Amino acid sequence: QQQVKQSPQSLIVQKGGISIINCAYENTAFDYFPWYQQFPGKGPALLIAIRPDVSEKKEGRFTISFNKSAKQFSLHIMDSQPGDSATYFCAATAYSGAGSYQLTFGKGTKLSVIP
Amino acid sequence: DTAVSQTPKYLVTQMGNDKSIKCEQNLGHDTMYWYKQDSKKFLKIMFSYNNKELIINETVPNRFSPKSPDKAHLNLHINSLELGDSAVYFCASSLQGAREKLFFGSGTQLSVL
Repeated sequence: QQQVKQSPQSLIVQKGGISIINCAYENTAFDYFPWYQQFPGKGPALLIAIRPDVSEKKEGRFTISFNKSAKQFSLHIMDSQPGDSATYFCAATAYSGAGSYQLTFGKGTKLSVIP
Repeated sequence: DTAVSQTPKYLVTQMGNDKSIKCEQNLGHDTMYWYKQDSKKFLKIMFSYNNKELIINETVPNRFSPKSPDKAHLNLHINSLELGDSAVYFCASSLQGAREKLFFGSGTQLSVL
C-alpha cells in the first residue's frame, strides 16, 4: 500500500505554542521519512527528514518523532511563529528501481499560527 | 540563480488545446520529476526520469507525455486538455539516490476553461 495518512487537515496554533502533525503508513518498504514545507505560490521544500532506525531528530524548533513498531511519525514545531504558517507534508520514500526512489506524500496540513 | 525553473508560471487555455510546460534545473541533478497538485493540495507523482530514462510512469492519461532532451531539462506536453487537468504542476529534481531531498520548482498553475 503506497499510502501515507496525515492528520489533521488544518491546524490553528497561537504564537509560542506547539504545533503537532501526525502521519501513519502501512508499507514496510518505506525507508526514509521527510517533511516538506510549502508556502503559498511556492513549491514544497525539504524541512527535516528521519531514517527509520532513529526515534527522534531535532533541527532548531522542528522535531520528528518516529515510532517504527506503530508505523507512525510526527512533526513537532516548538515555539510556533506566524512565519511558520504554511502547508506541511509528511512523506515516505521507497526504492523504485534503477537507482531511484519514489516519494509518496501525505495529503498535507495547513498550519496557521495566530499572533 | 533559480535552481529549478518552470515556465510558464500561469497557463490558461481552452479545452481540447495542446500545451507544454518547460522545466530546467541547474543543480547538476540526474533525476527529474513531474508532480501534480490538485485543488486540495494533494501532491501526486506523475513521472520520474533518471539520466533521461523514464523510471516512474504513474497511472496518467497518455495525453500527458514527458520529454527529456538532456539531464537538465524535463518538459511536459499535454494533448487535448480537459477540465480535470486544471491543477498546479511541479517539476522537481534530485541527485540519484538522494531519496528524501527533492528540489521543487515554483509550479505552473494550469487552468482549463
